[in-house]
Amino acid sequence: SQQGEEDPQALSIQEGENATMNCSYKTSINNLQWYRQNSGRGLVHLILIRSNEREKHSGRLRVTLDTSKKSSSLLITASRAADTASYFCATGDSNSGYALNFGKGTSLLVTP
Amino acid sequence: DTGVSQDPRHKITKRGQNVTFRCDPISEHNRLYWYRQTLGQGPEFLTYFQNEAQLEKSRLLSDRFSAERPKGSFSTLEIQRTEQGDSAMYLCASSSVALYGYTFGSGTRLTVV
Repeated sequence: SQQGEEDPQALSIQEGENATMNCSYKTSINNLQWYRQNSGRGLVHLILIRSNEREKHSGRLRVTLDTSKKSSSLLITASRAADTASYFCATGDSNSGYALNFGKGTSLLVTP
Repeated sequence: DTGVSQDPRHKITKRGQNVTFRCDPISEHNRLYWYRQTLGQGPEFLTYFQNEAQLEKSRLLSDRFSAERPKGSFSTLEIQRTEQGDSAMYLCASSSVALYGYTFGSGTRLTVV
């Protein structure tokens, strides 16, 4: 089942701008991960944040996690055309065993 | 290893035929997952292996689907008597015990005509 729900479904920005995507989920989680998928390709793991963490950085990526609101956000700073892709949040929880539950994704378009 | 390999990349088959996909995970990863993704949707979990043991199966995995991972290395996913609703991208992923995130293959795109 798909637990995560990304918002917005689609986002269009210009190069240099920041992009923010949000993810909401329903049940208690052990960790939340963000993945990127270029058209027709497999997913690439971007960042993992554990349930006891509130913020994490990796290069131009910043992820926050609010377990009380069951939500997370992914911020991409100084976006580039190469960031154009779909972005998915995925949650791991004790009920799903080792499986990750993915949302439907946010489609990001970065124009030069 | 350069990553997770899936074969074939594309498969077109007639309804009712059987198809088999192969996944070669990263060699030091003992966990292997199969997901299915349809257009505009996120990946949906199908099944999970730890070494050669199939530990989890989604109820999406009907009796027509079977997966194996002999000797805990590569895995195969077979779909028998394919239906048009089986058309999707089939993704394989692997991870280590520490689970720092999945490494996905490029997927096999199945089209049932």
